[in-house]
Amino acid sequence: QLQVVQTGGGVVQAGGSLRLSCEASGFAFSRYGFHWVRQAPGKGLEWLSIISYDGTKEYYADSVKGRFTVSRDNSKRTVYLQMNRLGVEDTAVYFCARNVGAVSAALVGWIDTWGQGTLVIVSS
Amino acid sequence: DVQMTQSPSSLSASVGDRVTITCRASQTVINYLNWYQQKPGQAPELLIYSASSLQSGVPSRFSGAGSGTDFTLTISSLQPEDFATYYCQQGYHTPFTFGPGTKVDMK
Repeated sequence: QLQVVQTGGGVVQAGGSLRLSCEASGFAFSRYGFHWVRQAPGKGLEWLSIISYDGTKEYYADSVKGRFTVSRDNSKRTVYLQMNRLGVEDTAVYFCARNVGAVSAALVGWIDTWGQGTLVIVSS
Repeated sequence: DVQMTQSPSSLSASVGDRVTITCRASQTVINYLNWYQQKPGQAPELLIYSASSLQSGVPSRFSGAGSGTDFTLTISSLQPEDFATYYCQQGYHTPFTFGPGTKVDMK
């Protein structure tokens, strides 16, 4: 059964750091890229980052570039989002999601499976 | 970055209505345009990928069309479970931006 389970999140003070984790099961994890997407309270979806199937390519939205780092450990079937220098504007539900490439191993494509989301609250 | 716009931002409709949502990209995304449905408190779900391909398990009343910069999502006969927010997303240029969303509620 295809599943993406997120852990981490919680309350952190402004300027602090937090690491989110996303563990997948039920499919060939090392063949897929993964996205991070967030949703601030009452707002729309904001794309944050993608990591390629082998971890060699990473891309970020300008809003998090230089502060957030995506990584993965294929042996643990887990993707991570390290978030540093957090500000109140980073308060949101964060989703991890599997990328399906339009062609094998491509990042161009679509998201077909989402984690349950994890809430991050940055307090001032 | 590719800017995505959606219209309308919200609409009110009745069960059985035909509903069409438009998405426009600021530059061509070829056909790498995806549609997601999100209900309150839930993760989004993929409806349509590559502009017009129906995701497995999604009812056939959902359809997508378009290419280049202009795309549409159509619900042929709105059902009670379709009241939700719909997002388009381009999957061609990084950052893979989402549209602002269209909320469909009950008239």
